[in-house]
Amino acid sequence: TQLLEQSPQFLSIQEGENLTVYCNSSSVFSSLQWYRQEPGEGPVLLVTVVTGGEVKKLKRLTFQFGDARKDSSLHITAAQPGDTGLYLCAGADAGGTSYGKLTFGQGTILTVHP
Amino acid sequence: GAVVSQHPSWVICKSGTSVKIECRSLDFQATTMFWYRQFPKQSLMLMATSNEGSKATYEQGVEKDKFLINHASLTLSTLTVTSAHPEDSSFYICSARDRRGGMSYNEQFFGPGTRLTVL
Repeated sequence: TQLLEQSPQFLSIQEGENLTVYCNSSSVFSSLQWYRQEPGEGPVLLVTVVTGGEVKKLKRLTFQFGDARKDSSLHITAAQPGDTGLYLCAGADAGGTSYGKLTFGQGTILTVHP
Repeated sequence: GAVVSQHPSWVICKSGTSVKIECRSLDFQATTMFWYRQFPKQSLMLMATSNEGSKATYEQGVEKDKFLINHASLTLSTLTVTSAHPEDSSFYICSARDRRGGMSYNEQFFGPGTRLTVL
């Protein structure tokens, strides 16, 4: 069974601060997705990282995939209240036999105060 | 593109009744759909994997006779909660995987969720 440890579980910061969310595993993933979810809604895909060492940027969000494809991070620069939400990382099985089943981290609840 | 809908968005039912939730991929074909359950402020818990034209694969601890899944077409999967009880109250979310996607990506696109409350 693959596990994906996501930290921190809760993050409460002031507008303008920077933050980093981490996802770590002992398993290798073929790809890793980051999602953002607001209360009462489904998760929305932010980014997919596939290659070890890959870095992707989405405005103020920077996503990194570890060289060994076992870990990933999400860094937000100058956080804004609109960034508030539940952030989820999810890894896809490298074995390719699970019909694309994802292993989800525990989630990080981010609150950005004005 | 990659839009997934769910119906209903919320439902309240009496204990002992059955509830059907529909999940549709609106602009793509999905050979595989997934059903998740989510408790407040927690991550998603995979219940089952639904493949078009075949039986669903349930995760350990999920009762297949209680949570009936049917994936009759490439754009529709249904989850029926049979003989619902208050402990089944939860947020149910489906996702769909675009059949055009390669195995190395495995991106899933999620529906907006269904809030089930069993009285």
